[in-house]
Amino acid sequence: AQSVTQPDIHITVSEGASLELRCNYSYGATPYLFWYVQSPGQGLQLLLKYFSGDTLVQGIKGFEAEFKRSQSSFNLRKPSVHWSDAAEYFCAVGARGSQGNLIFGKGTKLSVKP
Amino acid sequence: GAVVSQHPSRVICKSGTSVKIECRSLDFQATTMFWYRQFPKQSLMLMATSNEGSKATYEQGVEKDKFLINHASLTLSTLTVTSAHPEDSSFYICSAPRTGVTDTQYFGPGTRLTVL
Repeated sequence: AQSVTQPDIHITVSEGASLELRCNYSYGATPYLFWYVQSPGQGLQLLLKYFSGDTLVQGIKGFEAEFKRSQSSFNLRKPSVHWSDAAEYFCAVGARGSQGNLIFGKGTKLSVKP
Repeated sequence: GAVVSQHPSRVICKSGTSVKIECRSLDFQATTMFWYRQFPKQSLMLMATSNEGSKATYEQGVEKDKFLINHASLTLSTLTVTSAHPEDSSFYICSAPRTGVTDTQYFGPGTRLTVL
């Protein structure tokens, strides 16, 4: 079955600390992988995506993610978290050319301590 | 960047009434739009694909007659929840892929529907 698992429902980090949000997927075909961020009252904003090539992808706002095929993982990282990063983060997987049929994880809520 | 809007952002209605939610692509044309539903603490679930000029495609388990979708123009798709019941209360989100930007969707801010 196709699925995306985000094991951490809620994470709290101190401002300035590093961050890693975990994402594991189960997908039959070669996946397209995405990380989205959702702030209250805002739509989902694309942070980064992996289609092919370099397995370490850079995104906006200083985020990066690494695709590890052997581990079926696509973890999101940021070296130094800012208070404005507090939001809900969603990992998603889709098939090439599907555009619409994204499978989302349940999300990880990030809180940032001053 | 590409912007997708939704209206209303929040709606409360009585059981048995119908509610229409609009999704607009503000600065690009979208022949296809997608409607998702998000329950609290849950992930987004694709409900249907809205196609401009043709019928919508519904995901398995989604009632076509309950969730009416109309894609009247290249910038507007509407979702009508007919005869709403409390179990239809949810967060509805639309998205649209931008032509030329492969496999990237732009999401609206969502509509919170509460059925009393």
